[in-house]
Amino acid sequence: DQQVKQNSPSLSVQEGRISILNCDYTNSMFDYFLWYKKYPAEGPTFLISISSIKDKNEDGRFTVFLNKSAKHLSLHIVPSQPGDSAVYFCAASGDSGGYQKVTFGIGTKLQVIP
Amino acid sequence: KAGVTQTPRYLIKTRGQQVTLSCSPISGHRSVSWYQQTPGQGLQFLFEYFSETQRNKGNFPGRFSGRQFSNSRSEMNVSTLELGDSALYLCASSEATGGRYTFGSGTRLTVV
Repeated sequence: DQQVKQNSPSLSVQEGRISILNCDYTNSMFDYFLWYKKYPAEGPTFLISISSIKDKNEDGRFTVFLNKSAKHLSLHIVPSQPGDSAVYFCAASGDSGGYQKVTFGIGTKLQVIP
Repeated sequence: KAGVTQTPRYLIKTRGQQVTLSCSPISGHRSVSWYQQTPGQGLQFLFEYFSETQRNKGNFPGRFSGRQFSNSRSEMNVSTLELGDSALYLCASSEATGGRYTFGSGTRLTVV
């Protein structure tokens, strides 16, 4: 039961253009959403997050948009740089028996072409 | 601050054996979570510990177990290893729950 879905396993973008990574979720109890970036042979690193009370959060080149009615969030990277090439995981957090439980998607591999 | 330290980095085991992986969280972090990463499956939640208590558990068989010590260090154990247990095992620590984790570099387990 994939409660957090990243339907695009990979994405290629030219350097300088916009990268848009998408994520859908099914559980209405999720109230906090995060994006992580992972390079090979390293653990994921936190990138940006958004609370369910907001619809947009921006941090430099990275912006996350949340559409609660559609249960959809997206990560925009503008402009894309070759160093952004990595696997991006979407994650959602919600109450599970009184504690927050985090569910990850399967990841989208982004390749930024110089 | 030192990061999250996982040992060992690589491990090769034979089917039927058991294995113990270790995780030292960031100093001051009391929550430690474990995830299994396999190709096509993303990060699958194993369990979370907070102040030595298991607070959440994923949908893994009982062969997977863990514990946390008073200094917040955590171990996970897998008994009767199967080929399908080959994966990258990631430990993540946080000050509180919610998902803003700091991950270790992982332990790559290969079962042959």
